Parts: sequence; C-alpha cells; structure tokens
Amino acid sequence: DQQVKQNSPSLSVQEGRISILNCDYTNSMFDYFLWYKKYPAEGPTFLISISSIKDKNEDGRFTVFLNKSAKHLSLHIVPSQPGDSAVYFCAATPGGGSEKLVFGKGTKLTVNP
Amino acid sequence: AAGVIQSPRHLIKEKRETATLKCYPIPRHDTVYWYQQGPGQDPQFLISFYEKMQSDKGSIPDRFSAQQFSDYHSELNMSSLELGDSALYFCASSEDRGGDSPLHFGNGTRLTVT
Repeated sequence: DQQVKQNSPSLSVQEGRISILNCDYTNSMFDYFLWYKKYPAEGPTFLISISSIKDKNEDGRFTVFLNKSAKHLSLHIVPSQPGDSAVYFCAATPGGGSEKLVFGKGTKLTVNP
Repeated sequence: AAGVIQSPRHLIKEKRETATLKCYPIPRHDTVYWYQQGPGQDPQFLISFYEKMQSDKGSIPDRFSAQQFSDYHSELNMSSLELGDSALYFCASSEDRGGDSPLHFGNGTRLTVT
C-alpha cells in the first residue's frame, strides 16, 4: 500500500517555464515532508522540506506547498533549468525525527533547452 | 562540505555469500539510516541507529544485520545472499533525531548477486 503517491512518473518542461511536481499522501500522521532530487548513480539529495504547521516554504527557485486537508503537496521550480533534470522523490515522516522516511516512487523531470 | 561516504560503490557476490557495506556519516551526525532501492522502486527503509543503538527497524530481512560503531560509522552485514537482494543500498545520516532534520544520503552501494 503506497502511502506516498507520485502519480506522474515523468514530466517534461521547457527551460524557463515552471515545473510543478505533485505528491499525495494517505497517512494523516505524516507531519514532515521532504523533496529529494536524484541523479543517476548518485544518492538522493535533499532539496526542501516543509512542516505540517506551514503551508508554504520557499528556497530560491524552489517552493513547496502543503495542503493538509487535501493531503497534497507540490514542488514548484521556477524558472526551470536543464540542470534540474532528475528524478524527484517526495517523502514523508510522522515527525519527531526523520526516521522511516516513506518515499513516493518518484517523478522524472526533463527540462528541455 | 563533507558528505555521507559509502563503500564499496559496487559489489558483486554470488548466491549464499556474505556482503558487508560500510557507511561513514557526515561529521557530528549521530543518526544513521539504511535504505534499499530495488530497480524502478522507491527507497525502502531497513534500519536506523542513534548514538550506536538501534533506533528503528523496517523491512530488513533476518539475514541482514547492522551496527553503528563508536566513531559513528555503520556497517550492514548481509548473509546467505539471494538474487532478490540485488539493489542499491543507501546510507543516510542526520544530526537531530528528535527534530525535523533532513536525511542526507550517500551515493549508495550497488550490490549485484549472481
């Protein structure tokens, strides 16, 4: 049973445009959410996180939005750059620490020049 | 900045053999986590250690064991290897188990069992 769902396995965007990656979760106990970016042959790299007490967190070109009532979060990248092309994993934890990160299956983002 | 170091990067073993994977966390990180990622799958949590004590356990087979040493590095020992154990094994570390602290991952060990 997939508790963190990324329903789009892939996304293709033009350079300079906005990339929006979506993530849904089913476990209402999750209260800390993270986005990781992964290049081939490398480990996941932490990108940005958000606690359930917030609905938005911004870091440069990356913004994460959280809608707790809908159990939905999204990652916005603007403007998108070719170097952003990677697999993006949404992850969640029940909080009180980062143990047992539960990952989605990832979305492969391709940013075309 | 120093990152999580894993060794070896690649490992090829035969069925029923034993493998040991090593992980060196980021300095001053006291919590280590092991994840397994099969082909086309999301990373699955195996086990974690905080201050050298096992802190949580996930879907880790009984054939696997792990420990964290006094210098905070960790080793994942895998015995009686099976073909299905072929996967990427990631180690991650974090600096604050009690708070919202992101995990930082190493580049993984790719284990191939033949």
